[in-house]
Amino acid sequence: DAGITQSPRYKITETGRQVTLMCHQTWSHSYMFWYRQDLGHGLRLIYYSAAADITDKGEVPDGYVVSRSKTENFPLTLESATRSQTSVYFCASSQGTAKNIQYFGAGTRLSVL
Amino acid sequence: AQSVTQPDIHITVSEGASLELRCNYSYGATPYLFWYVQSPGQGLQLLLKYFSGDTLVQGIKGFEAEFKRSQSSFNLRKPSVHWSDAAEYFCAVATRNNAGNMLTFGGGTRLMVKP
Repeated sequence: DAGITQSPRYKITETGRQVTLMCHQTWSHSYMFWYRQDLGHGLRLIYYSAAADITDKGEVPDGYVVSRSKTENFPLTLESATRSQTSVYFCASSQGTAKNIQYFGAGTRLSVL
Repeated sequence: AQSVTQPDIHITVSEGASLELRCNYSYGATPYLFWYVQSPGQGLQLLLKYFSGDTLVQGIKGFEAEFKRSQSSFNLRKPSVHWSDAAEYFCAVATRNNAGNMLTFGGGTRLMVKP
């Protein structure tokens, strides 16, 4: 009953470094999402994926790259981290249509120094 | 494009008091509406959802919400707050024609409970 897991839970990195946040779900959900959470902004969608090898931009995609070679995994990569990317990142998954509930991981707190 | 506004950033209530958290959305048709709760250090958990039908929906942990089309609102209520309800609450909207199943979230309301 693992559900959706994110790793690492905490990460400190330096400006300019590449960092990858991992997300794994065990439900075989079609859709997966990456959000960032910042004070006063709630959660904002970075990227989402409708199925393996299908990804699309959300509201704030700049500076991020995603891939989805397998249904269960949806890694998020910051190719050259900036201080403005310091945030809490949440991964979520859903079966599909707008009526389906999104299930969230516990989050990754990323600090870029 | 749809949007969600939660006017109250912080709310403090005494344990046992009633609670109402406000949520206003902007969308041309009837949306799908959700309330999520985030406990400290945790991910988001669904409290309740509204798709259609009865405008008063019941959720987990004794919460309820009422959809009011005329006011574009979906306020969350609880008759008697417990200390364990201290958390951050997010209202979200999904549109019916959204093939991408994307949620738009409000900025959140942080609830503090006084003993």
